[in-house]
Amino acid sequence: NAGVTQTPKFQVLKTGQSMTLQCAQDMNHEYMSWYRQDPGMGLRLIHYSVGAGITDQGEVPNGYNVSRSTTEDFPLRLLSAAPSQTSVYFCASSYSKTSGSETQYFGPGTRLLVL
Amino acid sequence: AQSVTQLGSHVSVSEGALVLLRCNYSSSVPPYLFWYVQYPNQGLQLLLKYTTGATLVKGINGFEAEFKKSETSFHLTKPSAHMSDAAEYFCAVSEEFHNQGGKLIFGQGTELSVKP
Repeated sequence: NAGVTQTPKFQVLKTGQSMTLQCAQDMNHEYMSWYRQDPGMGLRLIHYSVGAGITDQGEVPNGYNVSRSTTEDFPLRLLSAAPSQTSVYFCASSYSKTSGSETQYFGPGTRLLVL
Repeated sequence: AQSVTQLGSHVSVSEGALVLLRCNYSSSVPPYLFWYVQYPNQGLQLLLKYTTGATLVKGINGFEAEFKKSETSFHLTKPSAHMSDAAEYFCAVSEEFHNQGGKLIFGQGTELSVKP
């Protein structure tokens, strides 16, 4: 298994540009989520999904959209990038959509710089 | 609301010395608690977790943590530090809600340095 994969690894955007961060998992996990990591703030939940066609907002959803058309893929869209979205983005997945005790498996991250 | 506080953003120890990384949480219900490690330019990897049962939890690479409900703490320890332990460590708490899975609330992180 490849686990959780993310593309691209690094991206530079100009303010106002749009882009999609890709996330895929091959473990048949129901639950997938996106976090952003900023210095001194740990990781914060952006959006999450408990299955295909079902998404919901996390702690910091503004400026981001998600959709989940398949179990494997959970892309994160920035419609109009802002410098405040400069961050490292992590995708994670876990087997169960209902249990908070499940281990979440993280991808390698995407570093985004918005100029 | 749940929260996690990690005391000390940077901890430095000598090789062979005890590692102690502190984590306190607030939660209105019995929590699930996690420690993750992040090596430079990598994703997060689970070290250990507490769900139910024994309050002393053993993890990978010789780390362990003890859940103390009365102190709302989940400190991470390792008896003898190795150079390879240098990384950033995150404590996290999760609550279980029906059909909402494991929404993790992370602490700010503690960067561990190991001196030769």
